[in-house]
Amino acid sequence: GAGVSQSPSNKVTEKGKDVELRCDPISGHTALYWYRQSLGQGLEFLIYFQGNSAPDKSGLPSDRFSAERTGGSVSTLTIQRTQQEDSAVYLCASSSRQGGGELFFGEGSRLTVL
Amino acid sequence: GNSVTQMEGPVTLSEEAFLTINCTYTATGYPSLFWYVQYPGEGLQLLLKATKADDKGSNKGFEATYRKETTSFHLEKGSVQVSDSAVYFCALSEFPWSSGSARQLTFGSGTQLTVLP
Repeated sequence: GAGVSQSPSNKVTEKGKDVELRCDPISGHTALYWYRQSLGQGLEFLIYFQGNSAPDKSGLPSDRFSAERTGGSVSTLTIQRTQQEDSAVYLCASSSRQGGGELFFGEGSRLTVL
Repeated sequence: GNSVTQMEGPVTLSEEAFLTINCTYTATGYPSLFWYVQYPGEGLQLLLKATKADDKGSNKGFEATYRKETTSFHLEKGSVQVSDSAVYFCALSEFPWSSGSARQLTFGSGTQLTVLP
């Protein structure tokens, strides 16, 4: 499709397990972002990739969180040893330098940690 | 650091009512300001933006004016429709988009709007 694609759309896991969330950005978009949306909260920035530059990881809440972007396209957000407070919707967005600042968001991956 | 404070919801209006959703911000520089909308079951999408003081962003009947003196970017619509029911997010970017560098957005907590027929 033409939009940002995220998978899985829903993930239920047990505390202590690792999870991987995938994001496929819009083709040609050089920037990719991960945000977290907790119930009743705003969007919390996690990490930002821009082309081949070193990613901005300043929003990652702990060393259990990591992300990579392979070939400048698909990105995977990994959460190790999940905890209940990790339960949230994880949103991915992409943008282009010529886009005037508009971010295009996927529908998100809802993570529930039991 | 940068922050965005939005009017708390939920907001419930009748069709054709006037809408205002307040948004104020704190920033160290000269941010660009945005309103994003999230319709039920969909991802966030840009509604409108303003990149400098006194700019007015507008789209789909919605408007917001970048007020540097009051550090505000309130969203308004003169006559809401049932189809406007959604969650609205105010956001700012710490660097102007004109710099060519797409940096992270700082979002408010969102305001749920429900419009009744």
